[in-house]
Amino acid sequence: DAGVTQSPTHLIKTRGQQVTLRCSPISGHKSVSWYQQVLGQGPQFIFQYYEKEERGRGNFPDRFSARQFPNYSSELNVNALLLGDSALYLCASSLGGANVLTFGAGSRLTVL
Amino acid sequence: DAKTTQPTSMDCAEGRAANLPCNHSTISGNEYVYWYRQIHSQGPQYIIHGLKNNETNEMASLIITEDRKSSTLILPHATLRDTAVYYCIVKNPVAGTYKYIFGTGTRLKVLA
Repeated sequence: DAGVTQSPTHLIKTRGQQVTLRCSPISGHKSVSWYQQVLGQGPQFIFQYYEKEERGRGNFPDRFSARQFPNYSSELNVNALLLGDSALYLCASSLGGANVLTFGAGSRLTVL
Repeated sequence: DAKTTQPTSMDCAEGRAANLPCNHSTISGNEYVYWYRQIHSQGPQYIIHGLKNNETNEMASLIITEDRKSSTLILPHATLRDTAVYYCIVKNPVAGTYKYIFGTGTRLKVLA
């Protein structure tokens, strides 16, 4: 079975641009979470979606938004990019909201 | 969710047991202890979790003290592929949002 897949794997943007990151969960998993990992730190929670509804949001500005589609895939959008948004963005899926997470390999965003 | 404290780094000889400690003195009765690890440039990988009894799976063993204020992850025969950052996380799996709070973890280096 395929694991959690994320795209793109790497991307470079300039300040002020917008980015969309995509995530496909493991088949049968209904919950998707997004995490941001800045170099040298542990992942930080951004969002969790379960059954297409937002179930949690971390301490991130409104420039960050996400959604979950009927097939349980998800997108993370970041507007008005700042240099500090450069990070590894991780998507994780789980069967339900409370189950252990399976992470994808991440999308590495560089903002110049 | 309770806060955890882990050593910043540890070394272990290949073939020996790696014992990674975690302090979670403010853990509450319904919070579980979870361990994840992150190999360089990959997403975190689930290892094991437990409530109060010791747990063992094909990857590791988890020893939780009787007062539940600390725990130890044991990799019985460490290999070079176990070199990674190990995160200890405490959370209630059924309350509130389902975010995991990752600290900076323990950087384990397995030496040949």
